[in-house]
Amino acid sequence: AQKVTQAQTEISVVEKEDVTLDCVYETRDTTYYLFWYKQPPSGELVFLIRRNSFDEQNEISGRYSWNFQKSTSSFNFTITASQVVDSAVYFCALNSGYALNFGKGTSLLVTP
Amino acid sequence: GAVVSQHPSWVICKSGTSVKIECRSLDFQATTMFWYRQFPKQSLMLMATSNEGSKATYEQGVEKDKFLINHASLTLSTLTVTSAHPEDSSFYICSARVTSGSFYEQFFGPGTRLTVL
Repeated sequence: AQKVTQAQTEISVVEKEDVTLDCVYETRDTTYYLFWYKQPPSGELVFLIRRNSFDEQNEISGRYSWNFQKSTSSFNFTITASQVVDSAVYFCALNSGYALNFGKGTSLLVTP
Repeated sequence: GAVVSQHPSWVICKSGTSVKIECRSLDFQATTMFWYRQFPKQSLMLMATSNEGSKATYEQGVEKDKFLINHASLTLSTLTVTSAHPEDSSFYICSARVTSGSFYEQFFGPGTRLTVL
């Protein structure tokens, strides 16, 4: 069975702080894909990143970075120098060939 | 490219009525579409998988007679909530699947917010 755990339900930070959102996954498949999505108040999902199980390279995109560690089954997401516009719910998801399996999400609030 | 639309974006209806939600892939063909439901402050839960030209596959606990899914073409899937009740009020999101090399990528629609009075 597949499972995605986002243990942090809500995080509140002050603007310009760095924040890391945790994601731990479970799967028996050797080939799978991990995702992060952002869901602003409007509700529309915004794709952030996709990572396959054979690529453990960390990735940086502007203020966003991702740390994928198969040894700990984790795919953590860090926002550097957070901004108010980063306030949203962030979902980690797992896909091994079927539908996406989402974690419960982490609600991030960035205050000025 | 790879745009998925949903119509309507929001709908309010009376209890007991039926509501149809459309999911369209605008610039690609999708043999498979997925329907998710999201209650307030909760995660997206897969309801059913819609395959063009065949019956939908429903997840455990989802009433197939209540949530009718039709995938009549490669660009359109519809979800009809029959005899809607207030507990069906939710955010419904569809996604369309395309093959990208050896990977099946999903593109999400903007969602439909259903409120049943």
